[in-house]
Amino acid sequence: GENVEQHPSTLSVQEGDSAVIKCTYSDSASNYFPWYKQELGKRPQLIIDIRSNVGEKKDQRIAVTLNKTAKHFSLHITETQPEDSAVYFCAASSTGGFKTIFGAGTRLFVKA
Amino acid sequence: GAVVSQHPSRVICKSGTSVKIECRSLDFQATTMFWYRQFPKQSLMLMATSNEGSKATYEQGVEKDKFLINHASLTLSTLTVTSAHPEDSSFYICSAVGQGGRSRWGYTFGSGTRLTVV
Repeated sequence: GENVEQHPSTLSVQEGDSAVIKCTYSDSASNYFPWYKQELGKRPQLIIDIRSNVGEKKDQRIAVTLNKTAKHFSLHITETQPEDSAVYFCAASSTGGFKTIFGAGTRLFVKA
Repeated sequence: GAVVSQHPSRVICKSGTSVKIECRSLDFQATTMFWYRQFPKQSLMLMATSNEGSKATYEQGVEKDKFLINHASLTLSTLTVTSAHPEDSSFYICSAVGQGGRSRWGYTFGSGTRLTVV
């Protein structure tokens, strides 16, 4: 079945440094790749997404890259701040069925 | 736009009882809703896909007789955990997709329900 692998499971960075989280997916039909940020006890919040017809997308300090050939996509956070500390999930879905499969999550710690 | 309301946010029930969780799309018609379960410090695991007016499609390993899903209207889906046991304690969260706008790609989540079975 469909599978999304996410690495690393835990990431600790110094404030101001960059953080990179990587994901791979198995379903070649996947064409939509959202990233979510989840704070403790709260719902996941969409922070950025990318569709398969685009290789890169940027929104202020956050960027996502997609390599459809290799079936992997990455989240890049620059100039990290303590409030970026949270669990980040990547996901993959296809517009046909809308079913979204999540990665296992990355717990990001930004040290002040 | 694309607001999904989930109720209750927190419920404690006795072992053996049933609990119903509601997921409503407030400003769009949700043709499809997804139910996820999230254990502490783990990812969201898809339980089932619910289409309005038809039977839900359950993921492998999810007992359909234990987790009853009803999607009776375009704005409401319910998940009933029947004969709950302590191992059912978890964070349950829904997501909805519908017609047009930001709801279309299914990334609008409800606020989640923390179920504790004692």
